[in-house]
Amino acid sequence: GAGVSQSPSNKVTEKGKDVELRCDPISGHTALYWYRQSLGQGLEFLIYFQGNSAPDKSGLPSDRFSAERTGGSVSTLTIQRTQQEDSAVYLCASSLSSSGRDEQFFGPGTRLTVL
Amino acid sequence: ELKVEQNPLFLSMQEGKNYTIYCNYSTTSDRLYWYRQDPGKSLESLFVLLSNGAVKQEGRLMASLDTKARLSTLHITAAVHDLSATYFCAVDPTQGGSEKLVFGKGTKLTVNP
Repeated sequence: GAGVSQSPSNKVTEKGKDVELRCDPISGHTALYWYRQSLGQGLEFLIYFQGNSAPDKSGLPSDRFSAERTGGSVSTLTIQRTQQEDSAVYLCASSLSSSGRDEQFFGPGTRLTVL
Repeated sequence: ELKVEQNPLFLSMQEGKNYTIYCNYSTTSDRLYWYRQDPGKSLESLFVLLSNGAVKQEGRLMASLDTKARLSTLHITAAVHDLSATYFCAVDPTQGGSEKLVFGKGTKLTVNP
C-alpha cells in the first residue's frame, strides 16, 4: 500500500476485555514501531521490531501489553484485561531500516476507548 | 533518561508574522525529527536533521539543529492559516540507529487571520 495502515480506526471496549490492534507497514520497510498518544503522557514509545531480531519491548507499560510481527510484515498489538488508563490513540510507524537515516512514517492510528 | 522539551507549548500568532519553536534535549544525539499533526490525524514527517549545523527548509518552515547546544529550532516565516497544527520534535537517543523516538509534548500553533 501507499502508506502505513492500521485497523480498526476506532475501538470501544469494556474494562477487562482483551483487544487486538493491527498494523500494516509500508511494503519493504523492515522496521516497525508502536507508540501510544494520550493526553496525559504525550507520545510514548511502546515496542520496536527490526527484521528477524528480537523486539525491543522496553516501552511496554505492563505485562498486559504484547505485540508480534508475523513474516516480517504485519504486526498486532494485544492488550489484555484492558483498563481505563489504556485509553489512547495507538500509532504504528515503519521505516526502511533502523540505520538512523530513515524517517519513521506513521499510520492513522487506532483510537482505543476503555469504558 | 532522555528528556525532550519544547517551548512554547501553545502559540497563537497572526498571519504574516514570524516565530520560532524551540526543542531542547538532554543527552547527546545527532538525529532529530520534526513532525506535524492536524487534529484527529496522524503524524506527518516534516524534517529529518542528521548532523550538527543541519538546516532544512520547506516553504515557510525552516528547521535547524545544533547538537552542541542540544537545540533544534523550527522557524515559521510569514505564517498562514494552513500552518495551524501541532508540531512535535522527536529525538533518537540510540547510537545504532532509529529505534525509539522520544517526543516533546508538542507545540500547538494557531495562526489567526
